[in-house]
Amino acid sequence: AQSVTQLDSHVSVSEGTPVLLRCNYSSSYSPSLFWYVQHPNKGLQLLLKYTSAATLVKGINGFEAEFKKSETSFHLTKPSAHMSDAAEYFCVVSVVSRSDYKLSFGAGTTVTVRA
Amino acid sequence: DGGITQSPKYLFRKEGQNVTLSCEQNLNHDAMYWYRQDPGQGLRLIYYSQIVNDFQKGDIAEGYSVSREKKESFPLTVTSAQKNPTAFYLCASSHLGANGNQPQHFGDGTRLSIL
Repeated sequence: AQSVTQLDSHVSVSEGTPVLLRCNYSSSYSPSLFWYVQHPNKGLQLLLKYTSAATLVKGINGFEAEFKKSETSFHLTKPSAHMSDAAEYFCVVSVVSRSDYKLSFGAGTTVTVRA
Repeated sequence: DGGITQSPKYLFRKEGQNVTLSCEQNLNHDAMYWYRQDPGQGLRLIYYSQIVNDFQKGDIAEGYSVSREKKESFPLTVTSAQKNPTAFYLCASSHLGANGNQPQHFGDGTRLSIL
């Protein structure tokens, strides 16, 4: 079965320093992977997606993620954190079953940014 | 502006009462989804629909019901059988794509509480 594990429940960084959010996945085939961000009391916003094209995926707001099949990882990074990056981040894998598909969500990583 | 509209933003339920959460989309998406989010957890799928007049149970469908009479609308009813309904409910929609490579777009959620 396909699933994702977010390795850190909480990450704290200083403004202007790099951000790294770690995600490992399990899948018996080449998966579609996504990163979403959620600000308090809001819905989820798509940051980026991997769908078997380039392994380095660039997203919105300066985020990018690298798909590493050998490590079954899809870590999210940003070179320089901004105060507005404080939010919850979800790594998501697409689960295909017979004729349909669903998304399987990680438990989330809460990012706090210190001034 | 295209998007997903959920209403109301806040909802209170009395004991033994059914309540209905509204979800409307104008993105011309075929598929729609309902998720439940509890603190510190990822999203869990309640129901989903890939075509009008058809829907499937997700991982936690007990105590919930849905209908899909129109492509644009996918209301969720939280019945009195759902004993722990307090949560943040998110509606999403997407195009149908091969191998689940289409991202889902989310509404801003409805927060349901028990009186």
